[in-house]
Amino acid sequence: EAAVTQSPRNKVAVTGGKVTLSCNQTNNHNNMYWYRQDTGHGLRLIHYSYGAGSTEKGDIPDGYKASRPSQENFSLILELATPSQTSVYFCASGDGWGANERLFFGHGTKLSVL
Amino acid sequence: QQQVRQSPQSLTVWEGETAILNCSYENSAFDYFPWYQQFPGEGPALLIAIRSVSDKKEDGGFTIFFNKREKNLSLHIKDSQPGDSATYFCAASAGNNNNRIFFGDGTQLVVKP
Repeated sequence: EAAVTQSPRNKVAVTGGKVTLSCNQTNNHNNMYWYRQDTGHGLRLIHYSYGAGSTEKGDIPDGYKASRPSQENFSLILELATPSQTSVYFCASGDGWGANERLFFGHGTKLSVL
Repeated sequence: QQQVRQSPQSLTVWEGETAILNCSYENSAFDYFPWYQQFPGEGPALLIAIRSVSDKKEDGGFTIFFNKREKNLSLHIKDSQPGDSATYFCAASAGNNNNRIFFGDGTQLVVKP
């Protein structure tokens, strides 16, 4: 059974519209992450969280907001979507502190902004 | 700047050959180096990892060779199979950096039968 679940799996949005990507984890991990993956850029960190109520900016936070209302849920919000945000988005949960954290990824959300 | 660099960007080998994927890093504080494997349509998954106190880690047909002095490492996939075709990400983290894991851009491996 999938421990990190993302919804939707696919999304088509219009430029200027609001998009919310959702992530739910049943691992009971404190840490959660949002990445985007584009050809030639690998995985780039957008926002992350150390626990319910906390959000931190990653390497490319501009144009994105994040919300962590509970241990299980972590959302990524695009208030005004732009075509440059067309990408595949991955959510992950992390199993601990220190230098040996293991990340568990969801299956991804493919977002197209037209 | 890029914290973790991978080469080549793509690699094609024949079934049964050893595939060698390379990785280098800048930050001397990095002491944990996981490799993640990603199949098309799926999220990455941890494949194998090494700590900087070791110079070699084996798990099945996968071996990491680590050179702390040169700040580089490589993933060797012995007796490659078509089912090993995937994108491989090298990553690095340091215990004093609030848990941040830095990923390379990945190497796309194709194993031809």
